[in-house]
This record gives sequence, C-alpha cells and structure tokens, in this order.
Amino acid sequence: GAGVSQSPSNKVTEKGKDVELRCDPISGHTALYWYRQSLGQGLEFLIYFQGNSAPDKSGLPSDRFSAERTGGSVSTLTIQRTQQEDSAVYLCASSLVGDREETQYFGPGTRLLVL
Amino acid sequence: AQRVTQPEKLLSVFKGAPVELKCNYSYSGSPELFWYVQYSRQRLQLLLRHISRESIKGFTADLNKGETSFHLKKPFAQEEDSAMYYCALTGGQGGKLIFGQGTELSVKP
Repeated sequence: GAGVSQSPSNKVTEKGKDVELRCDPISGHTALYWYRQSLGQGLEFLIYFQGNSAPDKSGLPSDRFSAERTGGSVSTLTIQRTQQEDSAVYLCASSLVGDREETQYFGPGTRLLVL
Repeated sequence: AQRVTQPEKLLSVFKGAPVELKCNYSYSGSPELFWYVQYSRQRLQLLLRHISRESIKGFTADLNKGETSFHLKKPFAQEEDSAMYYCALTGGQGGKLIFGQGTELSVKP
C-alpha cells in the first residue's frame, strides 16, 4: 500500500518568509511524528500527535515552529520567518498505536533551503 | 538525560570483513532500542529492534543493560550494506524516537 508521503520534496525560500510542509501518513495510522535531519544536529524530534491527545511539542526549537493535524490524518508543519539555520530535511513518520510493534514508517522528507 | 551516542561517524571495511557499529545510550527507565538504516536516495527504515531478537539482512544487535549498549554486528559485510545507520530509543509503547548522530558504513569491494 501507499507509504507516508510528503510535499513538497524540495523547497527553497528566502530568509524571513513563511513555509508550510505537508505530511500524508499511512491510512489508519493514529500517531504522526515530525523530525528534522540536519548536518550539525543529526536527527531531532520536533512534535508528536497521537489521536485526540494534546500533541507533544517538546522538540520544537522555537515559537516560529508550529504544526497541525487535521481530522486525525494530514499534518502541516509551519515555519514562520524562516532563518538560515532552519535549512534541513524535515521528515514525517506515522505509526499504528496499539499495534504490537508500533513501528514508525518514514516519509521521503522535504529538503528545505533558506537563502 | 536521554541520549544516544554513536562514536563513529564513518566506518569503512572490506567486503567479507566483520562489522560492528557501536551504540551507547543513557536513559532512566526501560527503553526500547532500535537500529534504523538509510540507503542512498531511500527513506529511513527500521532495520531491527531489540525486543524482536531477530537477525535482519545478517545483522544482529544485543541489548546490554549493564553497559547500556546496543551494538550492531554482522559477521561478513556486503557492498549493499553501505548506508547510514542510526541507533535510536523510545521510552517504550511508542512515542518519540531519540536518535544517535549516525554512522556511515562504507563496504569496499
């Protein structure tokens, strides 16, 4: 079946602009995660949605970052007033909570470059 | 503090040689440990997890709670094993993954 998809695959923006990154999880998966992969920091957790519970936002690096998950499915990660240090690959993952193994399946990522 | 450490950024071996990718962790509680792999131009994917006690693609990893380690091993490396390997943990029962910095494995012919 279809895996996790993300769009756009690449995004180039100017410093100070806002960007929106989209994630379509695997159908039926109740948990959705955002991570960031950058040269200096490796793979970092950003935010986690699980069903109707309040999201775990503990990994968001600043208040310029926010995310929504509408209808328990698609998620959008928004970065306001982008900075050059925001340049990274943003990864989305989903999992089926309650499944014995709860494996996180990753999308291909969105490569963000802030000029 | 929760932390995963992979001391080697790059590990280069010849085909047929044994390989060991090191991973140490710091976590208060009983974490669940994983190895993820990212092949060139492919997405990140789960290789194995400690609770499964499986051998995947010839790789095994044993959780050593005394040494807080979860090293990944393969007795005979293949060229197709060349990839980026990440050790990671969660607090169990799902939740965010905490990743190490990754080790790039290069298997030369």
